[in-house]
Amino acid sequence: KQEVTQIPAALSVPEGENLVLNCSFTDSAIYNLQWFRQDPGKGLTSLLLIQSSQREQTSGRLNASLDKSSGRSTLYIAASQPGDSATYLCAVSGSSNTGKLIFGQGTTLQVKP
Amino acid sequence: DAGVIQSPRHEVTEMGQEVTLRCKPISGHNSLFWYRQTMMRGLELLIYFNNNVPIDDSGMPEDRFSAKMPNASFSTLKIQPSEPRDSAVYFCASSLRPEGTEAFFGQGTRLTVV
Repeated sequence: KQEVTQIPAALSVPEGENLVLNCSFTDSAIYNLQWFRQDPGKGLTSLLLIQSSQREQTSGRLNASLDKSSGRSTLYIAASQPGDSATYLCAVSGSSNTGKLIFGQGTTLQVKP
Repeated sequence: DAGVIQSPRHEVTEMGQEVTLRCKPISGHNSLFWYRQTMMRGLELLIYFNNNVPIDDSGMPEDRFSAKMPNASFSTLKIQPSEPRDSAVYFCASSLRPEGTEAFFGQGTRLTVV
């Protein structure tokens, strides 16, 4: 059974710092991995999608990497801003490509001005 | 496109009442998913549809839960009778399979059963 773990559960950093959020999964047979952002009381916003054949994806100040063989992904946020404060969720889709997502518990990020 | 639209945004009901949550997926998407989010268990898949057909409902917690997708633009998740432990945020998501695999989520329905 696939399990997704995110470390740390919470993170507080001063504005301007570069930071890394970690995601690990137990079954390397995935179809893709997706990073989401969730603001309090809101829905999930897709940030980056990495296909299993890819090693990384970039969008603006965000860079996500995938090492499928070791069951790990990282989300790198450059030059963090207070507006980046949110919960970041990692989710994997199984190799059968059903679209079902298995989520981690998330990392709650606070960026202090 | 307005994205995935869910209604209502908030629902407060008494234990034993029937609750119906609604979802309109993104136009053209052929897969629809219902998730539930709680503090204890995080986000869990309840059921998903492909081309309006339920494919996997193994995440539906009990027979009190049922979901339908009568057409490509509408789905419902019904709880009857509702219980306090059903209190959670329920999300609907849609995607286009198999070409696009990115899932897009609605804003969720926060359900409180008292």
